[in-house]
Amino acid sequence: QKEVEQNSGPLSVPEGAIASLNCTYSDRVSQSFFWYRQYSGKSPELIMSIYSNGDKEDGRFTAQLNKASQYVSLLIRDSQPSDSATYLCAVNMRYGQNFVFGPGTRLSVLP
Amino acid sequence: DTEVTQTPKHLVMGMTNKKSLKCEQHMGHRAMYWYKQKAKKPPELMFVYSYEKLSINESVPSRFSPECPNSSLLNLHLHALQPEDSALYLCASSQEARDGYEQYFGPGTRLTVT
Repeated sequence: QKEVEQNSGPLSVPEGAIASLNCTYSDRVSQSFFWYRQYSGKSPELIMSIYSNGDKEDGRFTAQLNKASQYVSLLIRDSQPSDSATYLCAVNMRYGQNFVFGPGTRLSVLP
Repeated sequence: DTEVTQTPKHLVMGMTNKKSLKCEQHMGHRAMYWYKQKAKKPPELMFVYSYEKLSINESVPSRFSPECPNSSLLNLHLHALQPEDSALYLCASSQEARDGYEQYFGPGTRLTVT
């Protein structure tokens, strides 16, 4: 069983719509959860971190965490073509040193 | 400031060459990482240094040799690589934020082994 799983994608949404990206993890003692955006040919960029159950909003991005269900999501409101990228979910498994990545979901926002 | 720098940006090397990748951060982060990323795959952890000591080696072949000369620098020495080692090599560092650790990546080195 994979430790971190994400929507297989690709996910296509029209410009202005809400994009919803999902991630599940297997280790119940995971403490920290992250969303990275990676444009083609570039390195991952940290866009959201979340540590406690509930919602965390930052501009057009909202991260949601449910530790009981071992589920974390990222909502992108008013999606723009510039949001087209691969979104990586990462989970911090052990004492701050080991970050495990999901396979990523490719998002395409269509003009 | 969350900047991690890496040099070179691109590297082409033969299978008999010896080369080094360099990474630097001046954010006071005490953990530094090397990842390997192949196309359309997530980053794959190779090594973790914590307080300048190697804390995680994910069973990486010995042709990859990490070095942490000080708390700001991380090197990856390459020797006798294979064409399948061609990939994007990412350096990262992490710091403890209020509620947990956050990890930041450098721009990467695109390595081609011929």
